[in-house]
Amino acid sequence: NAGVTQTPKFQVLKTGQSMTLQCAQDMNHEYMSWYRQDPGMGLRLIHYSVGAGITDQGEVPNGYNVSRSTTEDFPLRLLSAAPSQTSVYFCASSYSDRGGYEQYFGPGTRLTVT
Amino acid sequence: GENVEQHPSTLSVQEGDSAVIKCTYSDSASNYFPWYKQELGKRPQLIIDIRSNVGEKKDQRIAVTLNKTAKHFSLHITETQPEDSAVYFCAASHNSGSARQLTFGSGTQLTVLP
Repeated sequence: NAGVTQTPKFQVLKTGQSMTLQCAQDMNHEYMSWYRQDPGMGLRLIHYSVGAGITDQGEVPNGYNVSRSTTEDFPLRLLSAAPSQTSVYFCASSYSDRGGYEQYFGPGTRLTVT
Repeated sequence: GENVEQHPSTLSVQEGDSAVIKCTYSDSASNYFPWYKQELGKRPQLIIDIRSNVGEKKDQRIAVTLNKTAKHFSLHITETQPEDSAVYFCAASHNSGSARQLTFGSGTQLTVLP
């Protein structure tokens, strides 16, 4: 199993550009989520999904869109990049959204917006 | 929503000493409390977790305690080794919207001095 994979690993965008961060998992997990990690602020939830076709907002959803057309894939779209979106983005998946199931993280995407 | 506070933000200990990291949470409905370790440039990885029906859990040199009444939980690492140096995050799982969410603390940078 590859686990949770993310592409790209690094990305530089100009303000106003759009892009999609890719996330895939091969563990047949129902629950997938996106976090951003900023220095001194831990991991903050952007969006999450409890299954194909179902998504919901987390703590910091503004400026991001998600969709879940398959169990395996959960892309994160930046609509119009802003410098405040400079961060490290982690995708995660778990068997269930119920507490007690380990969340497996991808390797992360380091995004810089100039 | 849930709020998780984590202390201290940095912690230095001598090799062989013990390290303790403390977290408090605000939502009394939270019932799952994982701890993640993140080495520099790597993804967060689960090291231990505890559910609200248990007061203490131990795994070799790592233990977690939970006080539901006071709404705080702690990570204890005994006989610290240089490879324990990393950032440690606590988290609490609570209900929000259509699914349970993890709220993370801001992290503790642990340095084990040889």
